[in-house]
Amino acid sequence: TQLLEQSPQFLSIQEGENLTVYCNSSSVFSSLQWYRQEPGEGPVLLVTVVTGGEVKKLKRLTFQFGDARKDSSLHITAAQPGDTGLYLCAGIHSSASGGGADGLTFGKGTHLIIQP
Amino acid sequence: GAGVSQSPSNKVTEKGKDVELRCDPISGHTALYWYRQSLGQGLEFLIYFQGNSAPDKSGLPSDRFSAERTGGSVSTLTIQRTQQEDSAVYLCASSSWTTSYNEQFFGPGTRLTVL
Repeated sequence: TQLLEQSPQFLSIQEGENLTVYCNSSSVFSSLQWYRQEPGEGPVLLVTVVTGGEVKKLKRLTFQFGDARKDSSLHITAAQPGDTGLYLCAGIHSSASGGGADGLTFGKGTHLIIQP
Repeated sequence: GAGVSQSPSNKVTEKGKDVELRCDPISGHTALYWYRQSLGQGLEFLIYFQGNSAPDKSGLPSDRFSAERTGGSVSTLTIQRTQQEDSAVYLCASSSWTTSYNEQFFGPGTRLTVL
């Protein structure tokens, strides 16, 4: 089993602060995705990163894939209450044959609360 | 276009009863996944379909759980003789396989409560 460890598990901060959450593994991933899930809804894909060292920006969110493709981070600048949710990372292990459920591994998520 | 839909949105049942959960994937998506999410937890993989076949059933927690997919579209997850520990949100996702990244599109889930 290839594990994706997410940290912190819970984070509560004030509106306007910056934060970073992490997704780490001992395994190499060919690609990694970040999802956000709001209460009562399914996860929604935010971004996919595929190249070691890649950085992608989505408004105030910055996603980075580690050089060795074993880890990723999500940085949020000037957090807003609308950023509240469960952030999940999911990766395709580099040895996977091209997909299928055993190719996609989900972390347990970071519960983020942004207080007004 | 329409996203992934699931029904019912909520299901309350008594211990020992059977339940059926339905998933309508995005039209044209050949891959379909079922996950279970307990309160405050991440996603637990249950089963994966490619077309109508299920090459990976490794996540089904017991033989009380089964799933089928017909016509390469709608899927039904059946839980027989429900137990209280089956209470969770059951999520369905579909994927188009147009890239190798297996990006998944999720439905809103079915919240199952077993009394």
